[in-house]
Amino acid sequence: DTGVSQDPRHKITKRGQNVTFRCDPISEHNRLYWYRQTLGQGPEFLTYFQNEAQLEKSRLLSDRFSAERPKGSFSTLEIQRTEQGDSAMYLCASSATRLAGGTDTQYFGPGTRLTVL
Amino acid sequence: EDQVTQSPEALRLQEGESSSLNCSYTVSGLRGLFWYRQDPGKGPEFLFTLYSAGEEKEKERLKATLTKKESFLHITAPKPEDSATYLCAVQGIGETSGSRLTFGEGTQLTVNP
Repeated sequence: DTGVSQDPRHKITKRGQNVTFRCDPISEHNRLYWYRQTLGQGPEFLTYFQNEAQLEKSRLLSDRFSAERPKGSFSTLEIQRTEQGDSAMYLCASSATRLAGGTDTQYFGPGTRLTVL
Repeated sequence: EDQVTQSPEALRLQEGESSSLNCSYTVSGLRGLFWYRQDPGKGPEFLFTLYSAGEEKEKERLKATLTKKESFLHITAPKPEDSATYLCAVQGIGETSGSRLTFGEGTQLTVNP
């Protein structure tokens, strides 16, 4: 396995701009998760997909956030009209369910560090 | 709602000085308790999964244990390379838990040579 990859690793943007992040999960993992982590805190759940279906969204996920996983492989997370409070590390994780022959353990990518000026 | 509390927030040890990190949790039903290690600027790295009270897992100098209310991560004779933030997370089986992990705030461990 090559591991979960995320792109870009760092993004600096101005308030009000839109940004999009990409996550490539471990191959054959059917679940993909997005979390957000601010300094000194543990990751907070945002949303997750099983294959291409988005099954759960956190109440933290405002209308400015949207995520897709069009063919059940990679995923994108878009933030529209960014605010300074969106500055954080955005983490992607993937897992294989037990029905898919996995253990449901979530493996994380390196994250995308977003700074909103 | 699932909750996780980790203590202490920060821990400084001398190389070779063993200690334990605590993770207290509240869930309607436990699907699994997970320990991760996180280095600065990187994503969490998976260490252990524990599923039921009494279960123990070991890896090198680390040993994780689980009771019905808490988990401990024991570090035996730590080395400077063990310095990192250790995160505890739970996955519940309740309707509101879904497949999400609920994390604690972590314990920042520093091991001095």
